Amino acid sequence: DAGITQSPRYKITETGRQVTLMCHQTWSHSYMFWYRQDLGHGLRLIYYSAAADITDKGEVPDGYVVSRSKTENFPLTLESATRSQTSVYFCATNLAGGSYEQYFGPGTRLTVT
Amino acid sequence: KNQVEQSPQSLIILEGKNCTLQCNYTVSPFSNLRWYKQDTGRGPVSLTIMTFSENTKSNGRYTATLDADTKQSSLHITASQLSDSASYICVVSAAGGTSYGKLTFGQGTILTVHP
Repeated sequence: DAGITQSPRYKITETGRQVTLMCHQTWSHSYMFWYRQDLGHGLRLIYYSAAADITDKGEVPDGYVVSRSKTENFPLTLESATRSQTSVYFCATNLAGGSYEQYFGPGTRLTVT
Repeated sequence: KNQVEQSPQSLIILEGKNCTLQCNYTVSPFSNLRWYKQDTGRGPVSLTIMTFSENTKSNGRYTATLDADTKQSSLHITASQLSDSASYICVVSAAGGTSYGKLTFGQGTILTVHP
């Protein structure tokens, strides 16, 4: 049981390029989340999705786009990458929102040069 | 503004010793408080989830306490092992509002256990 996977695990891209980070879960959890983690900051929510075709902004959504056409996938796209988007990105899932436990993927380390 | 503050920022202890990490929060209305362990290069893994009515919760050598009146929590690690070296993150969930229960993350305490 793979649980939650992210790809790629490491990515280097240039400023202005589009890049998509993938997240896949095998649990059929309703909720999926994208966070970024930077030194000096706690994990910050970028976007979340309560179900397929339902997405909403988190704390730091600018410069990011998400979609969720299938329950198991939640890709995060940086439409025109900037150096400030260099970070470690974590995908997470949650059975049904609220007080349910959240499960995190292994992370994608993105460097924008 | 909802905030979670953790102390100390970093801690070094010898293997076999005990330690206690602190978490103060101002999240309101409160739903639950979670402690996560994050190994270097990995995603956070849940250790405990505590609701308003729970004062203490254990997970092996990890014991979390919650004082909802003073809005403080602690994570006590007993008989530390080298594998306990990690970042420990306190996360508080707010009740109501958005359906996912908005989480506020602390910046974490980096624990290093030396042999």
